[in-house]
Amino acid sequence: EVHLVQSGAEVKKPGESLKISCKTSGYNFNDYWIGWVRQMPGKGLEWMGVIFPGDSDTRYSPSFQGQVTISADKSVNTAYLQWNSLRASDTAMYFCARQAYNIGLWFDPWGQGTLVTVSS
Amino acid sequence: DIQMTQSPSSVSASVGDRVTISCRASQGISSWLAWYQQKPGKAPKLLIYAASSLQSGVPSRFSGSGSGTDFTLTISSLQPEDSATYYCQQANSFPLTFGPGTKVDIK
Repeated sequence: EVHLVQSGAEVKKPGESLKISCKTSGYNFNDYWIGWVRQMPGKGLEWMGVIFPGDSDTRYSPSFQGQVTISADKSVNTAYLQWNSLRASDTAMYFCARQAYNIGLWFDPWGQGTLVTVSS
Repeated sequence: DIQMTQSPSSVSASVGDRVTISCRASQGISSWLAWYQQKPGKAPKLLIYAASSLQSGVPSRFSGSGSGTDFTLTISSLQPEDSATYYCQQANSFPLTFGPGTKVDIK
């Protein structure tokens, strides 16, 4: 069975750095896209970007290009989402998700979410 | 980028009612469309992919249709557990994009 388990909630100050993780199991990590989705409090879902671990091909949504870094470590079957300098506006729930099938960019299953709170 | 719109933004219906949600893409996306259900405090769940294919384990009262720019998610007989927000997502090209969501409440 495929599982995605995300790292725990974080509370950070503006300007601090952060790296959250999405540990996968139950399938060949190299073979499926992994995506990251932001959900700000009370708002809808926003795609941030996706990575194909097999060749590290990474695609960012324009709103997030240059603001975050998506990476993957094949040795531990884990994807990451990283910020170098957090802002209060980064406060949100972040979900990772795996491409559901080898064809088509629809995603299932999803991680449980990581709540990031940025406050001075 | 491909923009996705949904209507209505919210709907309130009774148990047993038929509920229809529309999704429109700003350009043609063939059948590269998915529907997700999200309940409060939970991760989204894939319901429909390729516009009309039912994801494994999803009740058959959910169905999807459409191609090109116009798509529909139908709940044939609304159940209490269907209270949630529903999102469409285009999978035609990067960047991937979601619609703004449709909240379904039970009267």
